[in-house]
Amino acid sequence: GAVVSQHPSRVICKSGTSVKIECRSLDFQATTMFWYRQFPKQSLMLMATSNEGSKATYEQGVEKDKFLINHASLTLSTLTVTSAHPEDSSFYICSATSTGTGTSNTQYFGPGTRLTVL
Amino acid sequence: AQSVTQPDIHITVSEGASLELRCNYSYGATPYLFWYVQSPGQGLQLLLKYFSGDTLVQGIKGFEAEFKRSQSSFNLRKPSVHWSDAAEYFCAVGPFSTGNQFYFGTGTSLTVIP
Repeated sequence: GAVVSQHPSRVICKSGTSVKIECRSLDFQATTMFWYRQFPKQSLMLMATSNEGSKATYEQGVEKDKFLINHASLTLSTLTVTSAHPEDSSFYICSATSTGTGTSNTQYFGPGTRLTVL
Repeated sequence: AQSVTQPDIHITVSEGASLELRCNYSYGATPYLFWYVQSPGQGLQLLLKYFSGDTLVQGIKGFEAEFKRSQSSFNLRKPSVHWSDAAEYFCAVGPFSTGNQFYFGTGTSLTVIP
């Protein structure tokens, strides 16, 4: 139980294009989803927190117009990197949590998406 | 402010040896505590968590962790390490009412030598 998927697992795009990453909770309803960015050999950096049906809360220093987050349903959140540049290349990981029995107060992570911007 | 410290950036152990990864937290009350493991190029997998009750928590893959309030610690242990345990380990605390977010330590990289 408590499985989170991400798609795609790996994406390569040209500079200036937009990329959408999907995060799905497969067997539970995710009231809250988190988006992280991870640089090589480093810990996770929280980018934003999204609650279903409301606007995402972005961490300081994260451009909300560049990293668009949508959490339209209890099982799906998307992160769109707009006008991507090489410095956006990174490993993006989502996680989900809920108030349900067995999954409450615990973050369950997706497998991550490796974004490379050429 | 809440924080999580993992003092050891990198640890090397021999296969079959015991392992202890350290984690200290800073928080006014007893937080929820977690250990996650990350293999290269993968997401994070939950090893175990502590919310309340018995301070010795059993997790998956033979791992356990002990919560020590007096030391603000939540160290991860395994009596006999396997080569497949080589990975990055993250300690985390949360969620907090101020936004439901977690705080992660900087991680400890484990190398297992034959």
